Amino acid sequence: DVVLTQSPATLSVTPGERISLSCRASESVDTYLHWYQQKPNESPRLLIKYASQSISGIPSRFSGSGSGTDFTLSINGVELEDLSIYYCQQGNSLPFTFGSGTKLEIK
Amino acid sequence: QVQLKESGPGLVQPSETLSLTCTVSGFSLTSYSVSWVRQPSGKGPEWMGRMWYDGDTAYNSALKSRLSISRDTSKNQVFLKMNSLQTDDTGTYYCTRDLWETFDYWGQGVMVTVSS
Repeated sequence: DVVLTQSPATLSVTPGERISLSCRASESVDTYLHWYQQKPNESPRLLIKYASQSISGIPSRFSGSGSGTDFTLSINGVELEDLSIYYCQQGNSLPFTFGSGTKLEIK
Repeated sequence: QVQLKESGPGLVQPSETLSLTCTVSGFSLTSYSVSWVRQPSGKGPEWMGRMWYDGDTAYNSALKSRLSISRDTSKNQVFLKMNSLQTDDTGTYYCTRDLWETFDYWGQGVMVTVSS
């Protein structure tokens, strides 16, 4: 199974900051890497698909990059509503797998 | 408007079978696949398996021996059955619309506790 390692586990941020979250795959997943946001007591929400493709309705401050084994989710100007856990997920091979998440908290 | 809603018991006895139903609206089960994803409290999600739009199925090999996914297209429902439940099967179970391995719509989830 493909293991996805996310770092850091927790990130303390100040509103307005530009931040980057990392997801590293144990083997190449090409660009079959997707990002989700999960707010407390809510279901996950698809943020970015295929490493860098935007999703309708998602604010433009969210962007993704990478291919192969190294991926980044960036938030350009963090807002309070962005405080959540972010998960990456690979869809290159079965079983689909998720990372353990990066939790964004206020500094 | 795409919607998915899970239903089923919140409490299951150890060694018993879990049965969940996902009722969908706003899309056809013969055009889109549906996956089941579970999430232990405080941990990342785990993909369990998929009902393809053509009726085929795919399972996580870690669960395959215990898991069965089926559907009733006339009722817009997808079913999950998993046997021999243990305490580490406790968590929130979601059904999701599965758009070529991205999960673009999620149900609200159902919390399942395995305990005697």
